[in-house]
Amino acid sequence: SQKIEQNSEALNIQEGKTATLTCNYTNYSPAYLQWYRQDPGRGPVFLLLIRENEKEKRKERLKVTFDTTLKQSLFHITASQPADSATYLCALVANTGNQFYFGTGTSLTVIP
Amino acid sequence: DTGVSQNPRHKITKRGQNVTFRCDPISEHNRLYWYRQTLGQGPEFLTYFQNEAQLEKSRLLSDRFSAERPKGSFSTLEIQRTEQGDSAMYLCASSREMNTEAFFGQGTRLTVV
Repeated sequence: SQKIEQNSEALNIQEGKTATLTCNYTNYSPAYLQWYRQDPGRGPVFLLLIRENEKEKRKERLKVTFDTTLKQSLFHITASQPADSATYLCALVANTGNQFYFGTGTSLTVIP
Repeated sequence: DTGVSQNPRHKITKRGQNVTFRCDPISEHNRLYWYRQTLGQGPEFLTYFQNEAQLEKSRLLSDRFSAERPKGSFSTLEIQRTEQGDSAMYLCASSREMNTEAFFGQGTRLTVV
């Protein structure tokens, strides 16, 4: 079955630095990959989507890369702010779009 | 567009009781998903509807769980004979079409005592 791994340890970084989160997967060939943000007690909120034929996607301070050979996606937050503190989830989606397979999430804390 | 709405937000029930949750998706979205999430884990897929048809159901889902989406609008998730292991956050999400983002509700937190 598919396996999705995100940074197992919580990530603490200083305000203004770039946060880099990883998402590795095995036994799966997703059509596209999504990143979500989740705050405590709330549902995930969509951030970015990247397709299998795209290498990189950007949105404001966010950047996502997708390497289907390495089976890895990297999620970057530049000029990080304390308000970026949250759990970030990656989700893999098949061509049918019938299921989103989520990783366990990475907890990010940006220290002022 | 008022977003995805889930009710109730919290539910405490005794073991063995039945519970039902409701999800109202964004009105023009034809795809609807149910997920379960426990502390420290990512959302785990339960089932998927396209309009009123339930097209996919997790093999991990016990027969005590059933979901419906009559008329392709709101959806309900029922858990019969609840067990303590059912305690979790139940999330509903909807999307317009394939290859687009899913919009999640705030979830229903179930506690089985």
